[in-house]
Formats: sequence, C-alpha cells, structure tokens
Amino acid sequence: EAQVTQNPRYLITVTGKKLTVTCSQNMNHEYMSWYRQDPGLGLRQIYYSMNVEVTDKGDVPEGYKVSRKEKRNFPLILESPSPNQTSLYFCASSFRTSGGDLEQYFGPGTRLTVT
Amino acid sequence: GIQVEQSPPDLILQEGANSTLRCNFSDSVNNLQWFHQNPWGQLINLFYIPSGTKQNGRLSATTVATERYSLLYISSSQTTDSGVYFCAVEFNRDDKIIFGKGTRLHILP
Repeated sequence: EAQVTQNPRYLITVTGKKLTVTCSQNMNHEYMSWYRQDPGLGLRQIYYSMNVEVTDKGDVPEGYKVSRKEKRNFPLILESPSPNQTSLYFCASSFRTSGGDLEQYFGPGTRLTVT
Repeated sequence: GIQVEQSPPDLILQEGANSTLRCNFSDSVNNLQWFHQNPWGQLINLFYIPSGTKQNGRLSATTVATERYSLLYISSSQTTDSGVYFCAVEFNRDDKIIFGKGTRLHILP
C-alpha cells in the first residue's frame, strides 16, 4: 500500500530536549516536505527536499533542521524545542512528472506539545 | 508578496445543498491542489488542477490560471463532506508550496 508514515503520532516534551520526527514514504517520490498547521494560519511549509541531499527552506524554517540521506526518509529535527513549536506537523511526498505535475500525499500528522 | 486567499472562511449548509469554494492566488502557478481535511485531521488529496476542469463524483474543480483563481464545487452535500478545504499552490518562481488558510465547511443533517 502506497503511504507516507510519520512517527511518533503524538509527543509531549519539555523545552530544550532534542527530538526527531521521522517521515518515510514507499512511493519512490523525489519531493518531500514538512508543514506545520496552526489554528487560523493553515499549513505552512517548514522545509522541502527536491531529492537526496538537496534541501531548502520553506516559509517557517527557524528552529528546525532536516536531512535527506535516502530518498524514502525525511526526518524533522528540533534541536532545542520551544513552546511556540507546539503544533500539528505533516510530512508530505510528491512525484513530479516530466510535464511538471506535482501531486502531494500527506502523512497522518504528528501532534507535538512542548511545555 | 505571494498570497493564496480562500473564501469564505466558514460555511454552514444543510445536507443536500450545493456549495462553491474559492481560491485566489497572486502569481502564475505551476501546480494547484485541493485538499480536504476531515474532522480527524487527515489530509485527503481531492484534485490536482493547475488549469482546466475536473470532476470526481459530487465534486468538481475549475482553475482559470489567467485570472488567478480556482473554484471547488460540492453538489448535494453530505455530512461526511464536513471539514476544512485547503488549496495549495506552487508558484512558478520557486518550488515552495503555499497553502491558503482554508474554508471550514459544516454540513448539518
């Protein structure tokens, strides 16, 4: 079954304690990205990756890191989480056709609370 | 700056009614998608539609790229249509994807 998986699905942590949210896709997609969703603000892109070892900042990259060592995995790293990073996080993967089409498929989301 | 604006922000309808959701965007686009986020938070891909018209059952979408808007039509609404509808746009200028703030749809039984 084609899917995007995220782990953990729920996490409560304390300020400053490093954490990683994993994202994996089994569709051999090249494009992967991370979003955060906050009430009244919709989804905002944090980082995206066009391919292995290629990552770029989205609209809200501050306080986050990513890596893309393999095509299927795109972990999101919070080196020193703060309460303003409490949010619902989505990972997405996409395939770009030769015609430029880009369809995104989303993971189930990770609800993070930083106290 | 680059913007994606959705309207209306909220919509309450009786079951069986039709609705039209709008997405305006400020620049030329490579891609545009409509998503439905159900009450459990799951994001479901509805349409990939950078231009033209597509239909899938009771849902259809039209994007007029030259006039920089897209419309999502829902006919004969059902309670399961409730949730938030987002449009997401990839602009020509870069590979970032910008979401609108969504339209929250509530279908009453």
